[in-house]
Amino acid sequence: GQQVMQIPQYQHVQEGEDFTTYCNSSTTLSNIQWYKQRPGGHPVFLIQLVKSGEVKKQKRLTFQFGEAKKNSSLHITATQTTDVGTYFCAGPASNTGKLIFGQGTTLQVKP
Amino acid sequence: EAQVTQNPRYLITVTGKKLTVTCSQNMNHEYMSWYRQDPGLGLRQIYYSMNVEVTDKGDVPEGYKVSRKEKRNFPLILESPSPNQTSLYFCASSLGGLAAYEQYFGPGTRLTVT
Repeated sequence: GQQVMQIPQYQHVQEGEDFTTYCNSSTTLSNIQWYKQRPGGHPVFLIQLVKSGEVKKQKRLTFQFGEAKKNSSLHITATQTTDVGTYFCAGPASNTGKLIFGQGTTLQVKP
Repeated sequence: EAQVTQNPRYLITVTGKKLTVTCSQNMNHEYMSWYRQDPGLGLRQIYYSMNVEVTDKGDVPEGYKVSRKEKRNFPLILESPSPNQTSLYFCASSLGGLAAYEQYFGPGTRLTVT
């Protein structure tokens, strides 16, 4: 069945370093969503990308959707301790209401 | 305040004892779904509903039931819980179907089955 893979699973960085997580789908996606889950919390929507090659920025976060609409990335510039958490990508299964999440990347930031 | 609520937040039960986790949203959303979260496996969709009386299986529906009799409520039923259903469960809702809108998640229900 359709799969969404996310790497790396864990990342430890020093505060101020950059961070990137990658998301790859086995099929073309109509859109991709990104969520952040703080430790002990619930996933919170960050952004949705729809167009091929789309790039969106939110302050220090940059989101990209690949040209083939099968991959995406989230890049954080100059990480801060407030960036700690697990980042998930999610994409819809074709022609259904299913939403498939990647396994998530857990980011730890050392002050 | 727009929100998704789940009850209970924590539950410890024994194998085979039927239980229901309630989920309610106050945003008039059409789409609701249930996920389970396990270490290393991310969020896996159990069931979803695109409207009242319309429910469909997600990726891991075995051992679960749902119903959508009203727009705001989407309870998750475990008829005969087993230890492999020990997990963190999230309910979510969104404006529409086809997974094209942002999901609003509830606070989660941590279930332990002994």
